[in-house]
Amino acid sequence: DAMVIQNPRYQVTQFGKPVTLSCSQTLNHNVMYWYQQKSSQAPKLLFHYYDKDFNNEADTPDNFQSRRPNTSFCFLDIRSPGLGDAAMYLCATSREGLEQYFGPGTRLTVT
Amino acid sequence: AQKITQTQPGMFVQEKEAVTLDCTYDTSDPSYGLFWYKQPSSGEMIFLIYQGSYDQQNATEGRYSLNFQKARKSANLVISASQLGDSAMYFCAMREFSQAGTALIFGKGTTLSVSS
Repeated sequence: DAMVIQNPRYQVTQFGKPVTLSCSQTLNHNVMYWYQQKSSQAPKLLFHYYDKDFNNEADTPDNFQSRRPNTSFCFLDIRSPGLGDAAMYLCATSREGLEQYFGPGTRLTVT
Repeated sequence: AQKITQTQPGMFVQEKEAVTLDCTYDTSDPSYGLFWYKQPSSGEMIFLIYQGSYDQQNATEGRYSLNFQKARKSANLVISASQLGDSAMYFCAMREFSQAGTALIFGKGTTLSVSS
């Protein structure tokens, strides 16, 4: 009964080569989030969609973009990955901003 | 200033014992929610328990309970009868409901190790 699905679970990309991470949900939640979590650190919010409204955190680099084509899907695009972008990327959903349900994450390696 | 403080980088407990993970928070918003998440080594964040600022009673979910002391601004997680599978990183988080966004503010986490 997977509720928040992230693909792939592990992604390896080359320095500067664009990469897209995907997230889908079966909960019909109206809010979707993308977090970046580096080793031994707390998750850091990159941006979120409240319905169709995109909300970017002030310190999220321009290198990171997102798309939400419909309620169920959300994508994270990293236009030119650097070594510092290697991290776990977590997608989460919530109904009206209450408790957030997380996917299993995608671990990104940049070579 | 940190909004969520978890002062214990690591905690150790024996199987079947209870353990308390500390969390203090800082907000001037009268309406807020406090959350605890568990993150095993696999990476998935698992929602454990929620406490609203106006809730009169402490939240409980199975072996998890939240010791909410509003005046002290603390929201400690109590795990009773620890199991080996409880070994993980635990994050305390807060959402301030008067804010326009819906972001969770996370603490730095506490690593719990349960031994047999």
